[in-house]
Amino acid sequence: DTAVSQTPKYLVTQMGNDKSIKCEQNLGHDTMYWYKQDSKKFLKIMFSYNNKELIINETVPNRFSPKSPDKAHLNLHINSLELGDSAVYFCASSPRLGADTQYFGPGTRLTVL
Amino acid sequence: DQQVKQNSPSLSVQEGRISILNCDYTNSMFDYFLWYKKYPAEGPTFLISISSIKDKNEDGRFTVFLNKSAKHLSLHIVPSQPGDSAVYFCAALLYNNNDMRFGAGTRLTVKP
Repeated sequence: DTAVSQTPKYLVTQMGNDKSIKCEQNLGHDTMYWYKQDSKKFLKIMFSYNNKELIINETVPNRFSPKSPDKAHLNLHINSLELGDSAVYFCASSPRLGADTQYFGPGTRLTVL
Repeated sequence: DQQVKQNSPSLSVQEGRISILNCDYTNSMFDYFLWYKKYPAEGPTFLISISSIKDKNEDGRFTVFLNKSAKHLSLHIVPSQPGDSAVYFCAALLYNNNDMRFGAGTRLTVKP
């Protein structure tokens, strides 16, 4: 069983489009996260979401919005895609906010043309 | 499936001593390995990496060892300092298709 899954694995799209990346965890965790990985392998936290409480990294453009239909899912919706949005996006979950352990999904490679 | 595992959720070490963090992986196709360090409320930051063609890479106080036959890597920190206290994640990468998998993390506490 995959603990944290993301779909799609690869996403290629045109500038200006709107797209979503889905994330699901079957661990019963309370907190989920989205990270953006740049070309130098640095991981930048974008959002954390805990029991309907959203904590946003203020440097993230408001074109990015997380949507959580239930505790097991945290989807990332991106409006008006730009070239600079091209990156690998990782979803993660942890038992609670601030917990040390985080389980990462396999990543979604987004390419904006 | 957890292709990368860090079996110790926590480790406590005295300042000045060596810290050894361990990581095991299951997919022999991984060809690049990384360690990240994470402070509270921040994303993991890249620390050190090693290619599968090497068995050791050193950067200051940090050394990563890779044992491909055992599918095991370890991070050694010597001497450990209180500022090293953080959560450490190991990651394994299939370099050509950029498929990266993370371990669940080990919290290191370095006591003064």
